[in-house]
Amino acid sequence: AQSVTQLGSHVSVSEGALVLLRCNYSSSVPPYLFWYVQYPNQGLQLLLKYTTGATLVKGINGFEAEFKKSETSFHLTKPSAHMSDAAEYFCAVSEDTGGFKTIFGAGTRLFVKA
Amino acid sequence: DAGVIQSPRHEVTEMGQEVTLRCKPISGHDYLFWYRQTMMRGLELLIYFNNNVPIDDSGMPEDRFSAKMPNASFSTLKIQPSEPRDSAVYFCASMKDSSNQPQHFGDGTRLSIL
Repeated sequence: AQSVTQLGSHVSVSEGALVLLRCNYSSSVPPYLFWYVQYPNQGLQLLLKYTTGATLVKGINGFEAEFKKSETSFHLTKPSAHMSDAAEYFCAVSEDTGGFKTIFGAGTRLFVKA
Repeated sequence: DAGVIQSPRHEVTEMGQEVTLRCKPISGHDYLFWYRQTMMRGLELLIYFNNNVPIDDSGMPEDRFSAKMPNASFSTLKIQPSEPRDSAVYFCASMKDSSNQPQHFGDGTRLSIL
């Protein structure tokens, strides 16, 4: 069965500092992995996704994530935080088992300090 | 390209009243999802449709909740009778094809039951 664990419900960084949001998953088959961002009073928006191929995936707004099968991880990073990055971030895993199944993590709220 | 459109954006009503939330998915998308988001429980999948057919409604909390998708461009989520604990943000999302595609979320309906 699939599951997603996001380590840390809240992360605080200073503007210009590295952003690292952690996501670990479990899946019985090769997974599809996603990161979404949610700004206040909006729905979730796709940041990036991994399906197959290159394990380092680049997304919008300077974010990237690396799929590490041996560690069952898909951590999200950004070299330099900007105030506009303050939002909630969700990791999600999906499996192609002949039907739909996507599991969302509990979310990590990112705070950016000036 | 229009995204997922939800209406109303905000709804305030008294306990016991019927509430109807509406969703127009992205044209050409095969899947439609209804989610509920609260601080306490996070993002919960209520029900999803594939080609207008309900596939999994195991997340619908009670018989007071019902969802329909009469055609490919419209879905409703109804709560009757509504209760204060139904207060939440309700999201609709649509998706093309299957598991390796991202979901596209609407901006949600913020529901307050007094």
